[in-house]
Amino acid sequence: KNEVEQSPQNLTAQEGEFITINCSYSVGISALHWLQQHPGGGIVSLFMLSSGKKKHGRLIATINIQEKHSSLHITASHPRDSAVYICAVRSSPWGGGGADGLTFGKGTHLIIQP
Amino acid sequence: NAGVTQTPKFRILKIGQSMTLQCTQDMNHNYMYWYRQDPGMGLKLIYYSVGAGITDKGEVPNGYNVSRSTTEDFPLRLELAAPSQTSVYFCASSSQGTTNYGYTFGSGTRLTVV
Repeated sequence: KNEVEQSPQNLTAQEGEFITINCSYSVGISALHWLQQHPGGGIVSLFMLSSGKKKHGRLIATINIQEKHSSLHITASHPRDSAVYICAVRSSPWGGGGADGLTFGKGTHLIIQP
Repeated sequence: NAGVTQTPKFRILKIGQSMTLQCTQDMNHNYMYWYRQDPGMGLKLIYYSVGAGITDKGEVPNGYNVSRSTTEDFPLRLELAAPSQTSVYFCASSSQGTTNYGYTFGSGTRLTVV
Protein backbone atom coordinates (compact mmCIF):
# COMPACT_ATOMS: atom_id res chain seq x y z
CA LYS A 1 0.00 0.00 0.00
CA ASN A 2 1.33 3.37 -0.97
CA GLU A 3 1.98 5.90 1.77
CA VAL A 4 1.62 9.55 0.80
CA GLU A 5 3.18 12.23 2.98
CA GLN A 6 2.71 15.95 2.47
CA SER A 7 4.62 18.84 4.00
CA PRO A 8 4.03 21.23 5.48
CA GLN A 9 0.66 20.40 7.06
CA ASN A 10 -0.10 24.10 7.52
CA LEU A 11 1.39 27.13 5.80
CA THR A 12 0.62 30.80 6.27
CA ALA A 13 2.28 33.31 3.94
CA GLN A 14 1.97 36.88 2.80
CA GLU A 15 0.45 37.85 -0.52
CA GLY A 16 3.05 37.74 -3.28
CA GLU A 17 5.24 35.08 -1.72
CA PHE A 18 6.45 32.00 -3.62
CA ILE A 19 4.83 28.90 -2.16
CA THR A 20 6.12 25.32 -2.25
CA ILE A 21 4.17 22.27 -1.08
CA ASN A 22 5.86 18.88 -1.07
CA CYS A 23 4.58 15.35 -1.54
CA SER A 24 6.47 12.08 -1.17
CA TYR A 25 5.24 8.56 -1.71
CA SER A 26 6.59 5.13 -0.87
CA VAL A 27 5.81 2.92 -3.88
CA GLY A 28 6.18 3.43 -7.62
CA ILE A 29 3.18 5.04 -9.25
CA SER A 30 1.55 5.45 -12.64
CA ALA A 31 0.33 9.01 -11.96
CA LEU A 32 0.25 11.71 -9.31
CA HIS A 33 -2.53 14.23 -8.88
CA TRP A 34 -2.60 17.62 -7.22
CA LEU A 35 -6.04 18.68 -6.05
CA GLN A 36 -7.40 21.86 -4.50
CA GLN A 37 -10.16 21.91 -1.89
CA HIS A 38 -11.71 25.27 -1.04
CA PRO A 39 -13.40 26.09 2.28
CA GLY A 40 -16.75 25.30 0.68
CA GLY A 41 -15.52 21.73 0.36
CA GLY A 42 -15.49 21.11 -3.38
CA ILE A 43 -12.43 19.36 -4.83
CA VAL A 44 -10.91 20.48 -8.10
CA SER A 45 -8.24 18.65 -10.01
CA LEU A 46 -5.22 20.91 -10.70
CA PHE A 47 -2.66 18.62 -12.30
CA MET A 48 -2.03 15.04 -13.24
CA LEU A 49 1.64 14.10 -13.65
CA SER A 50 3.49 10.99 -14.62
CA SER A 51 6.83 12.68 -15.33
CA GLY A 52 8.52 16.06 -15.61
CA LYS A 53 6.75 19.34 -15.05
CA LYS A 54 3.45 21.04 -15.81
CA LYS A 55 2.45 24.70 -15.58
CA HIS A 56 -0.95 26.33 -15.48
CA GLY A 57 -1.07 30.04 -14.84
CA ARG A 58 0.72 30.71 -11.55
CA LEU A 59 0.80 27.04 -10.60
CA ILE A 60 3.68 24.71 -11.38
CA ALA A 61 3.87 21.02 -10.54
CA THR A 62 6.97 18.87 -10.79
CA ILE A 63 7.65 15.23 -10.18
CA ASN A 64 10.84 13.23 -9.67
CA ILE A 65 10.01 9.58 -10.27
CA GLN A 66 13.38 8.28 -9.05
CA GLU A 67 13.11 10.15 -5.75
CA LYS A 68 9.34 9.47 -5.41
CA HIS A 69 8.72 13.15 -4.79
CA SER A 70 6.55 15.91 -6.22
CA SER A 71 6.24 19.62 -5.53
CA LEU A 72 3.48 22.12 -6.16
CA HIS A 73 4.61 25.74 -6.51
CA ILE A 74 2.49 28.87 -6.50
CA THR A 75 4.09 32.04 -7.81
CA ALA A 76 2.87 35.53 -6.78
CA SER A 77 0.48 34.02 -4.25
CA HIS A 78 -2.89 35.67 -3.68
CA PRO A 79 -5.49 35.37 -0.89
CA ARG A 80 -7.77 33.50 -3.31
CA ASP A 81 -5.14 30.72 -3.36
CA SER A 82 -6.06 29.95 0.26
CA ALA A 83 -7.26 26.36 0.26
CA VAL A 84 -6.26 22.83 1.15
CA TYR A 85 -3.93 21.30 -1.44
CA ILE A 86 -4.04 17.54 -1.69
CA CYS A 87 -1.56 15.16 -3.27
CA ALA A 88 -2.91 11.81 -4.48
CA VAL A 89 -1.26 8.91 -6.27
CA ARG A 90 -2.42 6.03 -8.39
CA SER A 91 -0.22 3.00 -7.87
CA SER A 92 -0.90 1.20 -11.14
CA PRO A 93 -2.76 1.85 -14.39
CA TRP A 94 -5.54 -0.58 -13.54
CA GLY A 95 -4.84 -2.13 -10.19
CA GLY A 96 -7.41 -4.19 -8.41
CA GLY A 97 -9.18 -4.23 -5.10
CA GLY A 98 -8.59 -1.02 -3.24
CA ALA A 99 -5.84 -0.05 -5.62
CA ASP A 100 -8.24 1.00 -8.34
CA GLY A 101 -8.56 4.50 -7.03
CA LEU A 102 -6.29 7.13 -5.57
CA THR A 103 -4.29 7.12 -2.32
CA PHE A 104 -4.48 10.56 -0.78
CA GLY A 105 -2.23 12.61 1.42
CA LYS A 106 -3.78 14.45 4.35
CA GLY A 107 -3.48 17.80 2.62
CA THR A 108 -1.67 21.09 3.18
CA HIS A 109 -3.76 23.92 4.57
CA LEU A 110 -2.53 27.12 2.91
CA ILE A 111 -3.52 30.61 4.05
CA ILE A 112 -2.38 33.66 2.09
CA GLN A 113 -2.73 36.87 4.04
CA PRO A 114 -3.24 40.21 2.24
CA ASN B 1 -21.66 20.58 -18.65
CA ALA B 2 -22.75 19.36 -15.21
CA GLY B 3 -19.85 16.96 -14.50
CA VAL B 4 -20.48 14.93 -11.33
CA THR B 5 -23.64 15.76 -9.39
CA GLN B 6 -24.12 14.63 -5.81
CA THR B 7 -27.26 14.89 -3.73
CA PRO B 8 -28.03 15.77 -1.01
CA LYS B 9 -25.40 18.31 0.06
CA PHE B 10 -26.20 17.93 3.76
CA ARG B 11 -28.05 15.32 5.78
CA ILE B 12 -28.57 14.47 9.44
CA LEU B 13 -29.48 10.86 10.19
CA LYS B 14 -30.43 9.14 13.40
CA ILE B 15 -28.58 5.98 14.40
CA GLY B 16 -30.08 2.99 12.61
CA GLN B 17 -31.70 4.96 9.81
CA SER B 18 -30.84 4.30 6.20
CA MET B 19 -30.29 6.56 3.24
CA THR B 20 -28.91 6.67 -0.28
CA LEU B 21 -26.38 9.21 -1.49
CA GLN B 22 -26.95 9.88 -5.16
CA CYS B 23 -24.19 10.41 -7.73
CA THR B 24 -24.65 11.08 -11.43
CA GLN B 25 -22.10 11.95 -14.09
CA ASP B 26 -22.72 13.08 -17.66
CA MET B 27 -19.22 12.60 -19.09
CA ASN B 28 -19.66 8.95 -20.10
CA HIS B 29 -16.86 7.96 -17.70
CA ASN B 30 -16.51 4.24 -17.06
CA TYR B 31 -14.80 4.56 -13.68
CA MET B 32 -16.71 5.89 -10.67
CA TYR B 33 -15.67 6.07 -7.02
CA TRP B 34 -17.00 6.85 -3.59
CA TYR B 35 -14.64 8.37 -1.03
CA ARG B 36 -15.10 9.55 2.52
CA GLN B 37 -13.14 12.39 4.09
CA ASP B 38 -12.71 12.53 7.85
CA PRO B 39 -11.18 15.53 9.65
CA GLY B 40 -7.39 15.54 9.46
CA MET B 41 -7.33 12.43 7.29
CA GLY B 42 -6.84 11.79 3.61
CA LEU B 43 -9.79 10.69 1.52
CA LYS B 44 -10.39 6.95 1.71
CA LEU B 45 -11.94 4.78 -0.99
CA ILE B 46 -15.23 3.11 -0.04
CA TYR B 47 -16.31 1.44 -3.29
CA TYR B 48 -15.53 1.80 -6.94
CA SER B 49 -16.93 0.68 -10.27
CA VAL B 50 -15.20 0.12 -13.61
CA GLY B 51 -18.43 0.03 -15.60
CA ALA B 52 -22.14 -0.66 -15.49
CA GLY B 53 -22.86 -3.84 -13.54
CA ILE B 54 -19.37 -4.04 -12.00
CA THR B 55 -18.53 -2.86 -8.50
CA ASP B 56 -15.81 -3.67 -6.01
CA LYS B 57 -14.82 -2.84 -2.46
CA GLY B 58 -12.27 -0.21 -1.61
CA GLU B 59 -10.38 0.37 1.60
CA VAL B 60 -13.33 1.07 3.94
CA PRO B 61 -16.48 -0.67 2.58
CA ASN B 62 -18.09 -1.87 5.83
CA GLY B 63 -21.54 -0.42 6.42
CA TYR B 64 -22.03 0.62 2.79
CA ASN B 65 -23.40 -0.83 -0.41
CA VAL B 66 -23.35 0.36 -4.01
CA SER B 67 -24.89 -0.48 -7.35
CA ARG B 68 -24.10 0.54 -10.92
CA SER B 69 -27.05 -0.19 -13.18
CA THR B 70 -26.14 2.52 -15.69
CA THR B 71 -22.93 4.27 -16.76
CA GLU B 72 -24.26 7.55 -15.35
CA ASP B 73 -25.40 6.60 -11.85
CA PHE B 74 -23.49 5.23 -8.87
CA PRO B 75 -25.55 5.50 -5.67
CA LEU B 76 -24.10 4.75 -2.23
CA ARG B 77 -26.39 3.11 0.33
CA LEU B 78 -26.07 3.28 4.11
CA GLU B 79 -28.33 0.63 5.64
CA LEU B 80 -27.93 1.10 9.40
CA ALA B 81 -26.35 4.46 10.05
CA ALA B 82 -23.75 4.62 12.82
CA PRO B 83 -21.96 7.64 14.34
CA SER B 84 -18.71 6.35 12.77
CA GLN B 85 -20.22 7.13 9.37
CA THR B 86 -20.33 10.85 10.14
CA SER B 87 -18.12 12.20 7.38
CA VAL B 88 -18.02 14.10 4.12
CA TYR B 89 -18.63 11.85 1.13
CA PHE B 90 -17.30 12.52 -2.34
CA CYS B 91 -18.24 10.82 -5.56
CA ALA B 92 -15.73 10.98 -8.42
CA SER B 93 -15.39 9.70 -11.94
CA SER B 94 -12.58 9.18 -14.42
CA SER B 95 -12.28 8.11 -18.00
CA GLN B 96 -10.78 4.75 -18.84
CA GLY B 97 -7.39 4.87 -20.41
CA THR B 98 -3.73 4.41 -19.73
CA THR B 99 -2.22 6.99 -17.42
CA ASN B 100 -3.64 9.97 -19.28
CA TYR B 101 -6.87 10.46 -17.39
CA GLY B 102 -8.26 12.99 -14.99
CA TYR B 103 -10.64 12.79 -12.09
CA THR B 104 -13.79 14.87 -11.66
CA PHE B 105 -15.25 15.18 -8.17
CA GLY B 106 -18.73 15.96 -7.01
CA SER B 107 -19.30 18.78 -4.53
CA GLY B 108 -19.64 16.42 -1.58
CA THR B 109 -22.31 15.33 0.90
CA ARG B 110 -21.84 16.25 4.56
CA LEU B 111 -23.47 13.51 6.63
CA THR B 112 -23.98 13.63 10.39
CA VAL B 113 -25.25 10.58 12.29
CA VAL B 114 -26.65 11.34 15.74
